[in-house]
Amino acid sequence: GAVVSQHPSRVICKSGTSVKIECRSLDFQATTMFWYRQFPKKSLMLMATSNEGSKATYEQGVEKDKFLINHASLTLSTLTVTSAHPEDSSFYICSARDLGTRAYEQYFGPGTRLTVT
Amino acid sequence: QKEVEQDPGPLSVPEGAIVSLNCTYSNSAFQYFMWYRQYSRKGPELLMYTYSSGNKEDGRFTAQVDKSSKYISLFIRDSQPSDSATYLCAIFGGNKLTFGGGTRVLVKP
Repeated sequence: GAVVSQHPSRVICKSGTSVKIECRSLDFQATTMFWYRQFPKKSLMLMATSNEGSKATYEQGVEKDKFLINHASLTLSTLTVTSAHPEDSSFYICSARDLGTRAYEQYFGPGTRLTVT
Repeated sequence: QKEVEQDPGPLSVPEGAIVSLNCTYSNSAFQYFMWYRQYSRKGPELLMYTYSSGNKEDGRFTAQVDKSSKYISLFIRDSQPSDSATYLCAIFGGNKLTFGGGTRVLVKP
């Protein structure tokens, strides 16, 4: 089956620093990848949609200069949280859509837990 | 009003019981309806999806959609302790998934 990995699985960084999270589709090509954020005991909130080779589309209220998304290849998307603050601490999950599959079929990664101290 | 509403639980049932989960949604344009299972600190795993009103079965799982009421349900028969997780409904429309808040389920042996 389609597998999506994320790295790192957890990261702790100091306030003011930047941190990069990678999302990889391991056995398929992903033209579209999605980044979600999940607070404890809350649902997933879509942050942005990224298409390979083009700029990401951000959801309303998500700062694109703070959450930089790059989708440089069909198997890799990165999310960089710039100048992180404690309120950015959250569980970040990516998903990917296989080339040629239906639009609603997304495969989710295991998530990255970010803690900003 | 949230686009997708889901009771957060927790829902505690004895092993072997039927687990009944449901969500309501507000946008009649939504096209596809999914149920995901999420274990603690893991990504969601797709359990079932459907796009029409009616029932769909897959093993111990039954998904039910009533578009006229904007109501979707998931039933888990013969529940097992390994079914203990958070269950998220999600609805696809406007080229994106919108999730409910998730219901935490605990199946006690």
